[in-house]
Amino acid sequence: DVKVTQSSRYLVKRTGEKVFLECVQDMDHENMFWYRQDPGLGLRLIYFSYDVKMKEKGDIPEGYSVSREKKERFSLILESASTNQTSMYLCASSFFVGHSSRGDIQYFGAGTRLSVL
Amino acid sequence: TQLLEQSPQFLSIQEGENLTVYCNSSSVFSSLQWYRQEPGEGPVLLVTVVTGGEVKKLKRLTFQFGDARKDSSLHITAAQPGDTGLYLCAGAEGGADGLTFGKGTHLIIQP
Repeated sequence: DVKVTQSSRYLVKRTGEKVFLECVQDMDHENMFWYRQDPGLGLRLIYFSYDVKMKEKGDIPEGYSVSREKKERFSLILESASTNQTSMYLCASSFFVGHSSRGDIQYFGAGTRLSVL
Repeated sequence: TQLLEQSPQFLSIQEGENLTVYCNSSSVFSSLQWYRQEPGEGPVLLVTVVTGGEVKKLKRLTFQFGDARKDSSLHITAAQPGDTGLYLCAGAEGGADGLTFGKGTHLIIQP
């Protein structure tokens, strides 16, 4: 079975702190994604990566950065956390499908619920 | 940006009833996935449909992909409390634009 593991289920941080969310997948997937999920807004793509050291902006990249130093690990960084970044963060991974940089079937981690006070 | 509209947004029914939820778009997708998400967890893939008109069954769940590959439906027969969750559809465009998610249908099955 595909396993996508997010390092924390719950995090509470203060405004202005630097926050790292870690995600590891064990299926040798090329693609990895970070989403945030908010009531009424659905899943919104923050960043994705289709290869080591490669990254692409999603729909809402402002206030976030990412790092992919190894194929299995994709990190989301909040340089200076703000209260409007309180959300459920979901990591996903998939195989590379043809020339699509996002792939088809995505496998999700359990999510990190981040509260910024 | 392509959109997937899911309806209804919320549905609460009694155990044993049947229900259908819908996923509609004006755009064509190369494939469409259905996920279920339970509170506090990540989405879990239920099924992928690829061919226009395709019907897939997963126990009491029946998934259909529209002939034109623009829409899909999920029908649940004899719903059970364990079916409670957020049902998400997601369309793949088969090109550089990638995966598009609907906002989901919140389903509650009351015992």
